[in-house]
Amino acid sequence: NAGVTQTPKFRVLKTGQSMTLLCAQDMNHEYMYWYRQDPGMGLRLIHYSVGEGTTAKGEVPDGYNVSRLKKQNFLLGLESAAPSQTSVYFCASGPVTLTQYFGPGTRLTVL
Amino acid sequence: TQLLEQSPQFLSIQEGENLTVYCNSSSVFSSLQWYRQEPGEGPVLLVTVVTGGEVKKLKRLTFQFGDARKDSSLHITAAQTGDTGLYLCCGGSNYKLTFGKGTLLTVNP
Repeated sequence: NAGVTQTPKFRVLKTGQSMTLLCAQDMNHEYMYWYRQDPGMGLRLIHYSVGEGTTAKGEVPDGYNVSRLKKQNFLLGLESAAPSQTSVYFCASGPVTLTQYFGPGTRLTVL
Repeated sequence: TQLLEQSPQFLSIQEGENLTVYCNSSSVFSSLQWYRQEPGEGPVLLVTVVTGGEVKKLKRLTFQFGDARKDSSLHITAAQTGDTGLYLCCGGSNYKLTFGKGTLLTVNP
């Protein structure tokens, strides 16, 4: 039982490049979330999903897209990366709303 | 916009001391959670409180949810170096989740 895993762990992009972050959970959780964590800003919710095939915007959704085609996976896409998107990204999942188990994070740098 | 204010922002104490950190809001939450995050890792859920006035204990950690469900506190008795980390509170209503910025606790040997 691996819990919540995130791929990749580290990534460096140039401005304008695109990439997809993958989150996978093996706990059969309905709810999945994407956060970014920045110094002095805390954790901020980007997008979330309440079940397979559903997505919704969180607090800071601009510049990101998500997809939940399979229950166990939640993908976060950056279509055209900007330096302001340099951050640590965390995925979380939960069996019910408001209960979250976090992955280890992806450290993204945009030059 | 729901905001959660955590205090203090930083706390440095000696092993064996007691401490309390706070999480306050002007909004009512249906539940509130506390997490601990260590450097380079994701937050780990410590407790969820859902009832106003609720008190939960986890070994040396005591969590309390305010009667009006707007605030919470975390008390640690006889702190140990292993308690060092970033303590985050998170309030929820429906699907909206709001994190405080955290209290960075350092317990010195």
